[in-house]
Amino acid sequence: NAGVTQTPKFQVLKTGQSMTLQCAQDMNHNSMYWYRQDPGMGLRLIYYSASEGTTDKGEVPNGYNVSRLNKREFSLRLESAAPSQTSVYFCASGEGGSVSNQPQHFGDGTRLSIL
Amino acid sequence: DAKTTQPNSMESNEEEPVHLPCNHSTISGTDYIHWYRQLPSQGPEYVIHGLTSNVNNRMASLAIAEDRKSSTLILHRATLRDAAVYYCIPVNTGFQKLVFGTGTRLLVSP
Repeated sequence: NAGVTQTPKFQVLKTGQSMTLQCAQDMNHNSMYWYRQDPGMGLRLIYYSASEGTTDKGEVPNGYNVSRLNKREFSLRLESAAPSQTSVYFCASGEGGSVSNQPQHFGDGTRLSIL
Repeated sequence: DAKTTQPNSMESNEEEPVHLPCNHSTISGTDYIHWYRQLPSQGPEYVIHGLTSNVNNRMASLAIAEDRKSSTLILHRATLRDAAVYYCIPVNTGFQKLVFGTGTRLLVSP
């Protein structure tokens, strides 16, 4: 029972490099989310996709792009990495619609360091 | 978004009950109260949620004050595996996202 799978688990980049973080869920969920977590802080929403074919900005979207490739997969791209984007990135999924009565399921994160 | 106030940290001994408080005085009448926890080096994990009535599941119990301005997550018998950061999150009907604060770090001693 995989749930939400994120790849890679760790990555080191140089400033200016680009990369894509991958996320896949096997729960047939409609909604998917990307969060970042900096040391000592709670998670902050970067982008989300309420359903296949839609994406919306969260709290901290600058410097990121996303693609909802299909119902299962939601990728996060850093076009030109900056040291301020050093963080742990979490992907989550949920059944969709209002989240108020439905839990979100999280992956184990991608630890990204940008030098 | 409703604002929450949680203690920065709490300590407990193994096999003792733990009561984790959360104040959410600006909560609206339709906000659900969600609790998540985050174990070291892992993603957040859903614990429990409720609207008005107290709720129980295999992991914990949620006690919601009658005026809904506060709630308490109850772990009936703490284990070492319960050491984590616990987040209380009011969630409005129609919202698509969770807004995390800094939570309460629970330390459990053997």
